[in-house]
Amino acid sequence: DGGITQSPKYLFRKEGQNVTLSCEQNLNHDAMYWYRQDPGQGLRLIYYSQIVNDFQKGDIAEGYSVSREKKESFPLTVTSAQKNPTAFYLCASSFLVGNSPLHFGNGTRLTVT
Amino acid sequence: KQEVTQIPAALSVPEGENLVLNCSFTDSAIYNLQWFRQDPGKGLTSLLLIQSSQREQTSGRLNASLDKSSGRSTLYIAASQPGDSATYLCAVLTQGGSEKLVFGKGTKLTVNP
Repeated sequence: DGGITQSPKYLFRKEGQNVTLSCEQNLNHDAMYWYRQDPGQGLRLIYYSQIVNDFQKGDIAEGYSVSREKKESFPLTVTSAQKNPTAFYLCASSFLVGNSPLHFGNGTRLTVT
Repeated sequence: KQEVTQIPAALSVPEGENLVLNCSFTDSAIYNLQWFRQDPGKGLTSLLLIQSSQREQTSGRLNASLDKSSGRSTLYIAASQPGDSATYLCAVLTQGGSEKLVFGKGTKLTVNP
């Protein structure tokens, strides 16, 4: 079945450690996105990529980094510079052409203590 | 800057009732508007996508309308069922720039048996 896989579902880290969240899609989508969701705040865009080896900052990129070495993969690293990393992280993808709906993974809940 | 508002934040209805969820946006220069469903602890599922040139889209018991000039969209759910209980989010893709989706904070729907 085609879809977006995020792993792990739950992740726990100590403050000061970097952590990488995985996102893989087999939908042959061009664009991939990372969102952060906090209670009462809605979804906020962290980074997005429309093509391999290229990506752009979203609204809240500080303290995060990404790479897009393969079309299928768009990992997100939450660095120790991110002041409030505990959140629910959602990866999404879409085609670029036309009006293509966004497809989401099931998310990773990161808790940093 | 595009802003998307969803009112009410929460809605509780008895099973079988027809209901309407509202979404408003401040910048009418949009490519499309999407409605999503999110179950607790899960990612978002795309329900309907309305292109800027369209007035409505239908899928089963769901009907979404778009009035671009007034900056409004509604999601109509007919004959609601307990399985419709979820958070419903709308998002708009705005023209003239980064072409990023801007999300509302959602309406949490509870359908009581």
